Amino acid sequence: QIQLVQSGPELKKPGESVKISCKASGYTFTDYAMHWVKQAPGKGLKWMGWINTYTGKPTYADDFKGRFVFSLEASASTANLQISNLKNEDTATYFCARWRVYYGFAYWGQGTLVTVSS
Amino acid sequence: VLVTQTPSSLPVSLGDQASISCKSSKSLVHNNGITYLAWFLQKPGQLPQSLIHTVSNRFSGVPDRFSGSGSVSDFTLKISRVEPEDLGVYYCLQYVHYPLTFGSGTKLEIK
Repeated sequence: QIQLVQSGPELKKPGESVKISCKASGYTFTDYAMHWVKQAPGKGLKWMGWINTYTGKPTYADDFKGRFVFSLEASASTANLQISNLKNEDTATYFCARWRVYYGFAYWGQGTLVTVSS
Repeated sequence: VLVTQTPSSLPVSLGDQASISCKSSKSLVHNNGITYLAWFLQKPGQLPQSLIHTVSNRFSGVPDRFSGSGSVSDFTLKISRVEPEDLGVYYCLQYVHYPLTFGSGTKLEIK
């Protein structure tokens, strides 16, 4: 069955970096784009952008340009999100979600909580 | 594209019908004629569950008490006969225009 399994929770200090992984299984990884969604504590869902898993080309929403990097380890069917120079407002749960044209998001990772605190 | 979801909180009794509105600032009709509006349910501490895509089509395994309707920029999610497992926060998502945008959420709770 199709699964997206994300890496575990992270506790970081301001200014540090973090890398979150999203490992896909049950389908051909390069056939479907991967999107990332942020959810701050007690808040709604915010779309961050996506990565073309065939070409590796990332696209970022305006609020996530600069410190955020989407990358792939295609041989391991894994998409990664790296955040550098962490700020308190980056404290959130980050979800990966598999994209399919027409259907949108049918499959989600379980989420990775990143806590930024001094 | 701004997506306005109402109400923010919806107290219901079990067995009641619930209705959630989602309005967009632009048409969600793609050039191919398909309207890209989806609905999700997020239970506390869990990942979002995909309920409906393209306005009114349920994902596999979603009970038929969930129904989506609407067109162009005005959409509704109806839940007939609310059950305990339906409680949580509902979000709509427009996925025709980039950046993709979610509604602000509707918390379905027991009256």
